Amino acid sequence: DAGVTQSPTHLIKTRGQQVTLRCSPKSGHDTVSWYQQALGQGPQFIFQYYEEEERQRGNFPDRFSGHQFPNYSSELNVNALLLGDSALYLCASSSGTGGRINQPQHFGDGTRLSIL
Amino acid sequence: QKEVEQNSGPLSVPEGAIASLNCTYSDRGSQSFFWYRQYSGKSPELIMFIYSNGDKEDGRFTAQLNKASQYVSLLIRDSQPSDSATYLCAVRQGAQKLVFGQGTRLTINP
Repeated sequence: DAGVTQSPTHLIKTRGQQVTLRCSPKSGHDTVSWYQQALGQGPQFIFQYYEEEERQRGNFPDRFSGHQFPNYSSELNVNALLLGDSALYLCASSSGTGGRINQPQHFGDGTRLSIL
Repeated sequence: QKEVEQNSGPLSVPEGAIASLNCTYSDRGSQSFFWYRQYSGKSPELIMFIYSNGDKEDGRFTAQLNKASQYVSLLIRDSQPSDSATYLCAVRQGAQKLVFGQGTRLTINP
C-alpha cells in the first residue's frame, strides 16, 4: 500500500522562474493539501483540493496555484519564484471533506525547493 | 497571539523518563488536534490525534486535551533515544486545514 508520493525530491531554481511539484495521494484518499515548511518552522497551509476544486486556501499569493486530476493526484505551481520561496513543500492526503472531517492527514516526503 | 503555540525548546530528557510536550491554541471552536513527529530532514509523521476532552493512550504515547483551557499535550513514557525529534502540534481549522505550532525539539539523552 503506497503512501503519499511526491516528486521531485529536490529542485534548484533561480529567481523569476516557475516550478511544478507533483503529489500522488495515499491509496483510498481523495483529498490533497499542500504545505510550505521553512527551516525551523512548522508547516504552513497553502491550499487543499477535493473533487478537483480548491476548497480552502491559506495566506499565500496568487503566484501559488494548483490542480487536482481525476485520479486524485495533484500539482502545485509557483510562478515568479522569489528567494523566500525556498522551503520544503509537503503534500498531505486524507479522506474526503464531506462527513468525515476528522480523518487525519498523512504527509509525503516533500520536495526541497532551493531558489538561487 | 499565535494560533497554535508550543512550549519553547529544545527539551532534553534522560532515557527512560517521561517527556511532556505542551500546546495551546487560540480558536475555541477547534475540534480536532494532532501530534506529528518530524525527524531532521524528513516529513511529519502522525503519532496521535484526539477529538474529545481527556486522555487518549497509544503504547508509550498519551495525548491529553482540555478544551476549556484550550490546551493539548503529549506525554511520552519510557523515552528512548529514537524519540529524539521535533514534535509538531496541529489544530484543524475548517474542513481540512491544519494550523501547526512552531514545533518543539526533543532530545533523549542515553
